Order: sequence, then C-alpha cells, then structure tokens
Amino acid sequence: DAKTTQPPSMDCAEGRAANLPCNHSTISGNEYVYWYRQIHSQGPQYIIHGLKNNETNEMASLIITEDRKSSTLILPHATLRDTAVYYCIVRVDGSGNTGKLIFGQGTTLQVKP
Amino acid sequence: DAGITQSPRYKITETGRQVTLMCHQTWSHSYMFWYRQDLGHGLRLIYYSAAADITDKGEVPDGYVVSRSKTENFPLTLESATRSQTSVYFCATKRMDMNTEAFFGQGTRLTVV
Repeated sequence: DAKTTQPPSMDCAEGRAANLPCNHSTISGNEYVYWYRQIHSQGPQYIIHGLKNNETNEMASLIITEDRKSSTLILPHATLRDTAVYYCIVRVDGSGNTGKLIFGQGTTLQVKP
Repeated sequence: DAGITQSPRYKITETGRQVTLMCHQTWSHSYMFWYRQDLGHGLRLIYYSAAADITDKGEVPDGYVVSRSKTENFPLTLESATRSQTSVYFCATKRMDMNTEAFFGQGTRLTVV
C-alpha cells in the first residue's frame, strides 16, 4: 500500500471549514483513499473514502486531485467535537486483498472556539 | 446489540504473566484485526484474520498469539507479558466486501508492571 504524508497538526476556527491535506504521490491505479479519525481515547472512526471521483457524505467531503497524488478532506462546518487525529490511508480494495489498514501519524486537528 | 466489544477495558498485569484480551463481534464480519497504540508510534497492526482459522502477522506480531476458532471471536494473548507491551489495544472488524469500512472497538488499556 502506498505511503501517505500529512501535516502533523492544524487549527481551525469553530464554524469554519477544515481542510485537511494528504499527499500520496506513489498511489497506484487500484488504491483507494480512506479517511478515519480518532477522538481522544476512542477507537478510530471511518469518515469517507474514494478512488478518483470526489465524494461527499453526511460527515465530510473528499476531494481527490486529477492525478490522484493528493487529496483533501473537508469538514464544512467544524465543531469542537471534530477535534481529533485524522488519518489518511491508501489501500488496495479488490479480490484477494487483506483489508488491513496501515496507519501513519495522522493530522491532529484542533478546533478552537 | 453492541457490534464489537472488547474486554476487559482496563487490565494491570505483572511481567511474565500470560494475559488474554478478548474481542467479540455480533456482525459476522469476515475480517478481524488487532492494533496497538503507543505515544509516538500511532496505531500499529499486530495480527489480522480473514476468516475463522485463518490468521496472519501484521507489523508488530512478536510476543503475541492469536486464534480464531469462531468467526465472532478473535482473542489476543500475550504469552509472557513485558513492560514494552504496555499499550492501548484496539480490535477492528470489516466485511469481506470491497470498499467497506472497518469498525473499531473502544480499546483495552493494558499496563504491565
């Protein structure tokens, strides 16, 4: 699975959009981009994933560049409860894959009032 | 219906003792995983299982043993606990289907003294 690079920390004002970047320059054509977050002391929580099209769900939006070498997770209206560590993971999904997730260091997002 | 349950939530044990951490799921997901989380290392995969009686090593398997005789249970055993195994342990499950997310338990905080 391809390696990802994320900034170690970011701040965001409450109510504003939080844009979390992720570089995955070695991503291959069949690798998906997944985002998870971990709120203090809890187990990681799935947010969203995508292959090459932009995706949106009730939690966030995922913007993947056309060359797929980077992506951005967008939390449109950050709240204090969004303070967490956000992990960007690339993973092959397909027959024979193990389903395992390899976590990097993630980005610690601090939402401030 | 708890979905995925880890027990115990907290455990203190002595060096050299055997300790087993339990993970139980009610979904019948094929995949199950064990991770440990330490300050400065993030989440690291210990072992995973694709189905009953099928297990494989992750990134940091040394000192741990797993079994999966039933789909719903995936116990992790430390055969002779060491202080370096003091950590928070997370269990996770995932369906066999492609493009599906993993679900994590609430974690077990293990202290080896």
